Amino acid sequence: KQEVTQIPAALSVPEGENLVLNCSFTDSAIYNLQWFRQDPGKGLTSLLLIQSSQREQTSGRLNASLDKSSGRSTLYIAASQPGDSATYLCAVTLIKAAGNKLTFGGGTRVLVKP
Amino acid sequence: DGGITQSPKYLFRKEGQNVTLSCEQNLNHDAMYWYRQDPGQGLRLIYYSQIVNDFQKGDIAEGYSVSREKKESFPLTVTSAQKNPTAFYLCASSRQGANDGYTFGSGTRLTVV
Repeated sequence: KQEVTQIPAALSVPEGENLVLNCSFTDSAIYNLQWFRQDPGKGLTSLLLIQSSQREQTSGRLNASLDKSSGRSTLYIAASQPGDSATYLCAVTLIKAAGNKLTFGGGTRVLVKP
Repeated sequence: DGGITQSPKYLFRKEGQNVTLSCEQNLNHDAMYWYRQDPGQGLRLIYYSQIVNDFQKGDIAEGYSVSREKKESFPLTVTSAQKNPTAFYLCASSRQGANDGYTFGSGTRLTVV
């Protein structure tokens, strides 16, 4: 069974510092990995999607890497801002999962202090 | 703009009552999903549907039912058999094969009163 783990569960940094969020998964047979942002009481907003054949994706201040062989992905957020405070979730789609179901990590709750 | 609309945003259920959560998408996605989110737990899959008139149980389907009569709509009914329904419910959709990733709605918070 695929397990997805996110460490740390919570993170607090001063404004301007770079954020590094980790995601690990046990089964490397994945279609893709997706990073989401969730604000309190809100739905999930997709940040970056990395296909299994890719090593990284970038969007603005965000960069996500993928190392399938080691079962790891890292989300980097450069020059953090208070508006980056949210919970960040990673999720993988397994090749053998019926219905292309997503398996989620528990999330990392980020607080960026002004 | 294309997206997923969930309604209502907040829903209150009395003991023994069935309630239905709405999920509509205009993304022309084939597959739709319902997830449940509880504090301190990850998202768990309730039901999913890959095509119209077909759906499959997820990891925690007991006490829930769905229908998929139209491509755009995937309503979730929380029945009285669901003993602990208070949670945040999220609907999602994707193209077949999920090559473009998933799109999520804004969620419905269900509370038992």
